[in-house]
Amino acid sequence: AQSVTQPDIHITVSEGASLELRCNYSYGATPYLFWYVQSPGQGLQLLLKYFSGDTLVQGIKGFEAEFKRSQSSFNLRKPSVHWSDAAEYFCAVMNSGGYQKVTFGTGTKLQVIP
Amino acid sequence: DAGVTQSPTHLIKTRGQQVTLRCSPKSGHDTVSWYQQALGQGPQFIFQYYEEEERQRGNFPDRFSGHQFPNYSSELNVNALLLGDSALYLCASSLIEVYTGELFFGEGSRLTVL
Repeated sequence: AQSVTQPDIHITVSEGASLELRCNYSYGATPYLFWYVQSPGQGLQLLLKYFSGDTLVQGIKGFEAEFKRSQSSFNLRKPSVHWSDAAEYFCAVMNSGGYQKVTFGTGTKLQVIP
Repeated sequence: DAGVTQSPTHLIKTRGQQVTLRCSPKSGHDTVSWYQQALGQGPQFIFQYYEEEERQRGNFPDRFSGHQFPNYSSELNVNALLLGDSALYLCASSLIEVYTGELFFGEGSRLTVL
């Protein structure tokens, strides 16, 4: 069964500092991987996705993520965090069996301080 | 272009009651998935509907049931409510033939069971 682990429940960074959110997945075949962001009281918005090809993927709002098969990781990065990035971030994996079932991690809550 | 809309946004029920939540998918989408997000957790897959049929189901009891209508809108029904059913219920829509896996989420229905 597919699963996702986000080891950091809560992260605090200063505005302008770099950010890396960790994500490890478990899936038997080539995974489809995603990062979603959830602002308070809102639904989830897709930041970026990886299906195949270049292991470094670019997303919206200046985010990027790198797929490392050897480490079963898909970490999210941003070179300079803005106060508006404060939100909860979810890593997710989708089965490649054609059913679009997405399994989410438990999330990492990002706090941005001035 | 309307996104995914859900109703109601908030509701309070008591144990043993039944609840129906509604979802209208993004225009042009034909697949609806339902997720339960408990406080402090990531979304958990409940089930997915396509062509008015349940395609797959997560680890949820039969108290959770659903329906998809010819216009692709969907309902989630929960019978015999338990305190543990208190959560944010998220609807996500997608297009089955576009195998990108991107889910478009509504803002959710927050259910409180007293």
